Amino acid sequence: QVQLQESGPGLVKPSQTLSLTCTVSGGSISSGSYYWSWIRQPAGKGLEWIGRIYTSGSTNYNPSLKGRVTISVDTSKNQFSLKLSSVTATDTAVYYCARDAGSFLEWDRFDYWGQGTLVTVSS
Amino acid sequence: EIVLTQSPGTLSLSPGERATLSCRASQSVSSSYLAWYQQKPGQAPRLLIYGASSRATGIPDRFSGSGSGTDFTLTISRLEPEDFAVYYCQQYGSSQTFGQGTKVEIK
Repeated sequence: QVQLQESGPGLVKPSQTLSLTCTVSGGSISSGSYYWSWIRQPAGKGLEWIGRIYTSGSTNYNPSLKGRVTISVDTSKNQFSLKLSSVTATDTAVYYCARDAGSFLEWDRFDYWGQGTLVTVSS
Repeated sequence: EIVLTQSPGTLSLSPGERATLSCRASQSVSSSYLAWYQQKPGQAPRLLIYGASSRATGIPDRFSGSGSGTDFTLTISRLEPEDFAVYYCQQYGSSQTFGQGTKVEIK
């Protein structure tokens, strides 16, 4: 059973960079053909897809966030990471990592999710 | 970008009743690449339905999905107490987008 776990600071100052890591267990991040995604959810609101990375390192980002987002993968640690720069209060949200069941260049459902981690942007 | 509009925003029903949730797309969703998720407070979303009508592993058969093109439906045949939650649709036929959610609350 694949499990995902987010980790990182719960508080980030405005204009700084938010950094989160997702650790995958129960299987190798590089086995199979999957994308690994970040999704966020402001309190009381809906889900917003941030971006994803394939095990080869190929990425796709939400155009609304492009320029501020970088997603990377470390297969040796079975982890992938999110960096979101120049954050403001509007970036305050629960951040989820999830597995995208799609094969390369395909889009698909999210079949496994982490529990989520709250990141607050405040001075 | 395909915009998904879910209706109603809130559905007030009693346990044992049937719930019908709608997800309408701004343009046709190719190959019925539509999924449904359930989210309870403080929890991550859980995949219920993919491919418009295929149940995910371990999902009870009281949950069913239907539809094609621009109109999709999630039906819960008889609401159990644990089914009161927020439900999201997601299309993955062209990039991917989520609907804004439908809350199913106890009447």
